[in-house]
Amino acid sequence: KAGVTQTPRYLIKTRGQQVTLSCSPISGHRSVSWYQQTPGQGLQFLFEYFSETQRNKGNFPGRFSGRQFSNSRSEMNVSTLELGDSALYLCASSSDRGGEKLFFGSGTQLSVL
Amino acid sequence: AQSVTQLGSHVSVSEGALVLLRCNYSSSVPPYLFWYVQYPNQGLQLLLKYTTGATLVKGINGFEAEFKKSETSFHLTKPSAHMSDAAEYFCAVTRTLNRDDKIIFGKGTRLHILP
Repeated sequence: KAGVTQTPRYLIKTRGQQVTLSCSPISGHRSVSWYQQTPGQGLQFLFEYFSETQRNKGNFPGRFSGRQFSNSRSEMNVSTLELGDSALYLCASSSDRGGEKLFFGSGTQLSVL
Repeated sequence: AQSVTQLGSHVSVSEGALVLLRCNYSSSVPPYLFWYVQYPNQGLQLLLKYTTGATLVKGINGFEAEFKKSETSFHLTKPSAHMSDAAEYFCAVTRTLNRDDKIIFGKGTRLHILP
């Protein structure tokens, strides 16, 4: 069974640009969560989608948005990039709404220059 | 609001020595607690979890953690460290398992194993 797949693995952008990251969950998983990981701040919750609906949202500005498709694949978008958006973005899927166990992808490393 | 505090962003232990990574939580209701591990260039994977029942929880790779309500702690231990244990460890908490509540992670503790 394939794991959680995130693309691209690395991304370099400049300030002001926008970026879209993709996450394919484990087959059969309907919940997808996104986290931002930075040194010293650990993992900060961005949002969670279940069956195409956003269930929870973290404390990030509106420049950060996401969506989930009918096949459970998810994308997150960051508009008007800032230097501080440089981070590892992790996606996690779980098998149902219970979320007892999260399965993480390897992440997308975003560098904003 | 829930929160997790991990004491020590870096911990170094000698190979074969006891590993102790500290985690304290804050929760208004009985929490569900987790430890995740992140190896270099990888995502996180679940080490162990406490939901209900026995307060001493055993996980993979010889790790265990004990839920102590009176101390609001969920420290991670391993009797004998191995070089392969070098990684970053995250403690996490949630109030419910039905995902109405998000899972909150601590800032992580990087474990260094000295030869």
